[in-house]
Amino acid sequence: AQSVSQHNHHVILSEAASLELGCNYSYGGTVNLFWYVQYPGQHLQLLLKYFSGDPLVKGIKGFEAEFIKSKFSFNLRKPSVQWSDTAEYFCAVPTGANNLFFGTGTRLTVIP
Amino acid sequence: DAGVIQSPRHEVTEMGQEVTLRCKPISGHNSLFWYRQTMMRGLELLIYFNNNVPIDDSGMPEDRFSAKMPNASFSTLKIQPSEPRDSAVYFCASRSGRRIDTQYFGPGTRLTVL
Repeated sequence: AQSVSQHNHHVILSEAASLELGCNYSYGGTVNLFWYVQYPGQHLQLLLKYFSGDPLVKGIKGFEAEFIKSKFSFNLRKPSVQWSDTAEYFCAVPTGANNLFFGTGTRLTVIP
Repeated sequence: DAGVIQSPRHEVTEMGQEVTLRCKPISGHNSLFWYRQTMMRGLELLIYFNNNVPIDDSGMPEDRFSAKMPNASFSTLKIQPSEPRDSAVYFCASRSGRRIDTQYFGPGTRLTVL
């Protein structure tokens, strides 16, 4: 079954800094990948998704992610973070027709 | 639409007590998922239902956990007896159709077992 791993557990940045959160996936044929965000006290929301085609995927709120097959990576990026981006970010991959396997998450704290 | 509704939002109980978490999926959605989120293990799928039928419960930790979906608009996750290690945030999610990215999450229930 496919899985993902996130190695950054907690990232602290100042406002306007650039962000890159790592996500690596295990090889398993066709790859679909997702990034979810969980703002403090709220539920998970889909940030962006990759199914096929252009490996550079743009999501909501200025986030983007690049699928790099040779590196088994799907890192999340944002050129300039804001205080409101403080949240927990989860990378996820389908493990079957119905299941999503989530990474352990990366907590982002943005300091004003 | 009100989205996925979960109750209670917070639950504090003592070890050994029975805990019941409730979920109302989005109307028209035919799949429902229960997840558990902890600091140590992240977000784990416990069980999911399709058309009210449990399809995969391999993520349910042990027999103390049980889940039901008596109809399309209601599901429960029960822990009996509860233990401190069950403390976590439990999320319910629902989905319509087969696209896995159309899964919508509820606000979660934060369970604390003392």
